[in-house]
Amino acid sequence: NAGVTQTPKFQVLKTGQSMTLQCAQDMNHEYMSWYRQDPGMGLRLIHYSVGAGITDQGEVPNGYNVSRSTTEDFPLRLLSAAPSQTSVYFCASNKHYNSPLHFGNGTRLTVT
Amino acid sequence: SQQGEEDPQALSIQEGENATMNCSYKTSINNLQWYRQNSGRGLVHLILIRSNEREKHSGRLRVTLDTSKKSSSLLITASRAADTASYFCATDADTGGFKTIFGAGTRLFVKA
Repeated sequence: NAGVTQTPKFQVLKTGQSMTLQCAQDMNHEYMSWYRQDPGMGLRLIHYSVGAGITDQGEVPNGYNVSRSTTEDFPLRLLSAAPSQTSVYFCASNKHYNSPLHFGNGTRLTVT
Repeated sequence: SQQGEEDPQALSIQEGENATMNCSYKTSINNLQWYRQNSGRGLVHLILIRSNEREKHSGRLRVTLDTSKKSSSLLITASRAADTASYFCATDADTGGFKTIFGAGTRLFVKA
């Protein structure tokens, strides 16, 4: 059982470049989320999904797009990277509302 | 703004001592969760306490919840060096939607 798998583990982008962070889970969880973690800020919710085809914004959605075409996958897209998006990104899934989150090991992104 | 605020921001104790971390939140909640993060890794769920519960135990962990004061505490008894990590509280920010919001965390260092 792989749990939540994030790729890549590390990425360096130049300002203005685009990329997609991948997230996949094999637990058949309905709910998936993306967070970013900056030093001293804890985790901040970017976007979340309550099922295939349904997404909504979190605390800090600007500059990021998501889609959820399958239960398993929840990619996060940066359309035009900015240095302010340098952070560690975590994907999480949970079975239903009010159940514990299962986290991936994160993607460390640097934008120069 | 973040829903949960942990206190203290950092805590250093000797092995064998107890460690207490506190979390305060702003709005009404359905549940409160505690997570642990080892350096460079994803978060791991420790315990979930529902709004109608006052205390919950799991091994050496004891969590209390006081909804009248909008606060929770995590007690780790007989700390070990392996407990060195960051600890986060998270709430569901009862807004009618699915959002799990994290605090900034407490960094615990247990000296052997």
